[in-house]
Amino acid sequence: DVVMTQSPLSLPVTLGQPASISCRSSQSLVSRDGNTYLNWFQQRPGQSPRRLIYKVSNRDSGVPDRFSGSGSGTDFTLKISRVEAEDVGVYYCMQGTYWPPWTFGQGTKVEIK
Amino acid sequence: EVQLVESGGDLVQPGGSLRLSCAASGFTFSNYWMHWVRQVPGKGLVWVSRINSDGSSTSTADSVKGRFTISRDNAKNTVYLQMNSLRVEDTAVYYCVRDSVGEGIDCWGQGTLVTVSS
Repeated sequence: DVVMTQSPLSLPVTLGQPASISCRSSQSLVSRDGNTYLNWFQQRPGQSPRRLIYKVSNRDSGVPDRFSGSGSGTDFTLKISRVEAEDVGVYYCMQGTYWPPWTFGQGTKVEIK
Repeated sequence: EVQLVESGGDLVQPGGSLRLSCAASGFTFSNYWMHWVRQVPGKGLVWVSRINSDGSSTSTADSVKGRFTISRDNAKNTVYLQMNSLRVEDTAVYYCVRDSVGEGIDCWGQGTLVTVSS
């Protein structure tokens, strides 16, 4: 199984400041079709997860452009350019290249300082 | 608007059975793979099972293999998770999740809580 490792697991940030979350996979996530199936999800307190980014860097409809995804191979990053109060929650990366199983990172809790 | 509405969660004793349902609307259900993902309250997300668009192929996590069965009824726009021989460690919120082939998992339901306890 592909192991997804996120860091940090807790991220206190100041409003208006940038934030960055790292996600590393135990093997390259480049698929035979040339795509990299690495998604990012946000889970606000008391809510279901919501996808923010798919295939490394594609932002979902309605997702603010302060969110961006980057990376390749085994190293990926989710960046928030300027953190807002509504960004508080837990962020998960997930791989869908080598399945089953589909595997998630442990989650990174973003909170306001 | 895409909607996934889970139901069937309950309190059940160890060894018992439960069937979860997920009613889909707002999209052409028969075109999409579907998954179940679970989350112990306060913990992370864990994939449970997946079914392809016509129901001919399924995959299930090792931790529930032989006990959980995913199925779907495209005429009713519904996906199911039959859960047998339930264990205390199966206690979790179970989410129904859509998979857009080519983009992966996208939309999530609101979840249904399964509690296994004596």
